[in-house]
Amino acid sequence: GQSLEQPSEVTAVEGAIVQINCTYQTSGFYGLSWYQQHDGGAPTFLSYNALDGLEETGRFSSFLSRSDSYGYLLLQELQMKDSASYFCAVRVLYSGAGSYQLTFGKGTKLSVIP
Amino acid sequence: DGGITQSPKYLFRKEGQNVTLSCEQNLNHDAMYWYRQDPGQGLRLIYYSQIVNDFQKGDIAEGYSVSREKKESFPLTVTSAQKNPTAFYLCASSIDLGKSHEQYFGPGTRLTVT
Repeated sequence: GQSLEQPSEVTAVEGAIVQINCTYQTSGFYGLSWYQQHDGGAPTFLSYNALDGLEETGRFSSFLSRSDSYGYLLLQELQMKDSASYFCAVRVLYSGAGSYQLTFGKGTKLSVIP
Repeated sequence: DGGITQSPKYLFRKEGQNVTLSCEQNLNHDAMYWYRQDPGQGLRLIYYSQIVNDFQKGDIAEGYSVSREKKESFPLTVTSAQKNPTAFYLCASSIDLGKSHEQYFGPGTRLTVT
């Protein structure tokens, strides 16, 4: 099976930088995705890392180290609207079906304070 | 505007009744997915489909059924056999299974069974 660990809650100040970590234990690992979900809303895709290194998309960056089974999401210049839950999800091979699917972590609730 | 629609947003049912949740997409995506989200938890995969008339069980398929008669539509039936049906249900799609790391989600249906 798969297991993912990420902090349940993080609080940061508006304008600051915050890092949300994700460690995973899984077989058939293919990549790591990040999603944002506002309360009661739909998750939205943020980024995906299949290879080691840093991917940057505007204020958001995502990092992966396959050898350490670890990744993180970095949010810069925090804004109040960034208050949301952030989920890491490993893309793994479903051996029975021969397809790759996502297994989600429990999410990190980020609160941005003035 | 392209997107995924789910209806209704809130659904109430009595225990012992089957209920069908609607999911429609106009993104021309081949792959579609159903997830369940419980409070403070990540998303868990119920079923997925890569093409019309084909679907596969996810991690928690027991007590659920799906159909994929049209590319645009992927309804989920929560049967009376599902022991804890009260949850937030999310439908998603991706271009195909090869792009399963980047999924687009609908607004969700919150089902309450009493």
